[in-house]
Amino acid sequence: SQQGEEDPQALSIQEGENATMNCSYKTSINNLQWYRQNSGRGLVHLILIRSNEREKHSGRLRVTLDTSKKSSSLLITASRAADTASYFCATDGGGTASKLTFGTGTRLQVTL
Amino acid sequence: DTEVTQTPKHLVMGMTNKKSLKCEQHMGHRAMYWYKQKAKKPPELMFVYSYEKLSINESVPSRFSPECPNSSLLNLHLHALQPEDSALYLCASSQVAVNYEQYFGPGTRLTVT
Repeated sequence: SQQGEEDPQALSIQEGENATMNCSYKTSINNLQWYRQNSGRGLVHLILIRSNEREKHSGRLRVTLDTSKKSSSLLITASRAADTASYFCATDGGGTASKLTFGTGTRLQVTL
Repeated sequence: DTEVTQTPKHLVMGMTNKKSLKCEQHMGHRAMYWYKQKAKKPPELMFVYSYEKLSINESVPSRFSPECPNSSLLNLHLHALQPEDSALYLCASSQVAVNYEQYFGPGTRLTVT
């Protein structure tokens, strides 16, 4: 399997704290994407970082990409209870239609 | 409209049944995807359609038969499934180009008895 690895597998923090998730992958990529999934539901796209980018911000999200180490991190600042979900990184290896390979996921629990 | 819809939400079928899952989008996307997701696991790509033609089949058993009748619709026909095929089936769509995100539907929860 070309599946990426994410750590931690699970993360429990209090509201207002920051959450950091890490993703490692194995092959060359066009881009790396992060998605959120609430329990048993569809995935929501959060952010896309291209292979020639090193850092990207979107609201409370900050993503970094290190292609030399084949790794990425997602930082959620000032977390809220509504951020409770599973977070997946997904690498897009190319082709005219994107072909995503998802990481193992991090389950984030934000408590009041 | 950035919504991908999937029907039904839940499906229970026996191993001898034939059923179909449906997916629809009206975003003008010409790439559509089927994923399978087991509990506490990441989604796994099954099929990719590009301009209504099957472009990727990830070695999926023939008891799963995809169909893309037009640019807005994607079906997954199911026949003679096994209990291990029970999972959440997710549909997604995107632009046919590099560096675009995918939009996912809410999924169909399939149980094979």
